[in-house]
Amino acid sequence: DIVMTQSPDSLAVSLGERATINCKSSQNILYSSNNNNYLAWYQHRPGQPPKLLIYWASTRQSGVPDRFSGSGSGTDFALTISSLQAEDVAVYYCQQYHSPPFTFGQGTKLEIK
Amino acid sequence: EVQLVESGGGLVQPGGSLRLSCAASGFKFSDYWMHWVRQVPGKGLVWVAHIYVDGTGAAYADSVKGRFTISRDNAKNTLYLQMNSLRAEDTAVYYCARGGSGCDCWGQGTLVTVSS
Repeated sequence: DIVMTQSPDSLAVSLGERATINCKSSQNILYSSNNNNYLAWYQHRPGQPPKLLIYWASTRQSGVPDRFSGSGSGTDFALTISSLQAEDVAVYYCQQYHSPPFTFGQGTKLEIK
Repeated sequence: EVQLVESGGGLVQPGGSLRLSCAASGFKFSDYWMHWVRQVPGKGLVWVAHIYVDGTGAAYADSVKGRFTISRDNAKNTLYLQMNSLRAEDTAVYYCARGGSGCDCWGQGTLVTVSS
């Protein structure tokens, strides 16, 4: 099974500042045949279902603000929020959909400093 | 509007069974892989199972393999999760989600509590 490890477990950032969450997979999740990384990022606010932010590691889902961006390839990935807003307080998860079981990272709790 | 609505959760004794349903609307259900994901209150998201568009294939997390069965009825636009031999550690909110490149649509979730 592919293990997804996020860092840090929690993060406190000032409003307007940059927040970066890292995600590392135990195996390469890049398919060379299509050059796609099978990695998604989700935002999960309390009391709501998770929301897809990023897929293919760096493609922003429709309607997601452009302050959210994804990067990385192979086994190392990152989600960056360029200018933190109050509504961004949530738990963020990465997930690989390269091969089942489609494992999630343990989550990163993002708070306002 | 794309919508997923779970039902069937509740309180069940250890060793018991429960069947969850997920009613889909607003999109062509038969075109999409579907998933079940769960979350123990206060803990992280855990992928449980997925099923192919036509129901001919499925995969499961090791923790539920042999006890849970995912299925779908494309004529009824409904996804199911049959849960047998339930354990206390299966207590969680269960979400159904539409698959593809990541899960782009989720239901609100249904709570399953396994307790005597």
